[in-house]
Amino acid sequence: DAGVIQSPRHEVTEMGQEVTLRCKPISGHNSLFWYRQTMMRGLELLIYFNNNVPIDDSGMPEDRFSAKMPNASFSTLKIQPSEPRDSAVYFCAYKRLEDTGELFFGEGSRLTVL
Amino acid sequence: GIQVEQSPPDLILQEGANSTLRCNFSDSVNNLQWFHQNPWGQLINLFYIPSGTKQNGRLSATTVATERYSSLYISSSQTTDSGVYFCAVNTNAGKSTFGDGTTLTVKP
Repeated sequence: DAGVIQSPRHEVTEMGQEVTLRCKPISGHNSLFWYRQTMMRGLELLIYFNNNVPIDDSGMPEDRFSAKMPNASFSTLKIQPSEPRDSAVYFCAYKRLEDTGELFFGEGSRLTVL
Repeated sequence: GIQVEQSPPDLILQEGANSTLRCNFSDSVNNLQWFHQNPWGQLINLFYIPSGTKQNGRLSATTVATERYSSLYISSSQTTDSGVYFCAVNTNAGKSTFGDGTTLTVKP
């Protein structure tokens, strides 16, 4: 769905480095979600925002992970320091204002931590 | 939290065959979605179906909320239908919980 742009699409980094993933949703949404997908754990919700405010971050694995949404058109997910077990595809998703709950996904950012 | 179970976990079909995928959930839901994750990893919306039946071409979906299940029916399968099919449910908490998916392989 072109309604959300994620960057970078692919990132390879070394253990201990800081990783920042970015998400730019289209205007007209009110909720934004960060999901992680791995073979072992499937699709997991990490955190979601409603009107730019974090509502539920219970899925954030540990303090190394943080997410921000400084405005309605930009969000970041940061991992510092990164570890090999953080390797996954990270998806950003949103719900449109006029909908009751349909979720739309970006194309994801594939992270590999060596 | 709510549990979402999808069956079967894996399915292999010959092109042209029909199939039914199932999604069972453990509690009341506000809405339910079906997604197709293609071999490139993209998550494509198939249906937003809190209840009732919807059809889109060769695909149709039915959700019976009172019985806590949804089914996705694929008719005349094609190789491009291959991928993983996910069911996701949304409760009052506002967030969606995904099942583990059904991996479909359609052979020519």
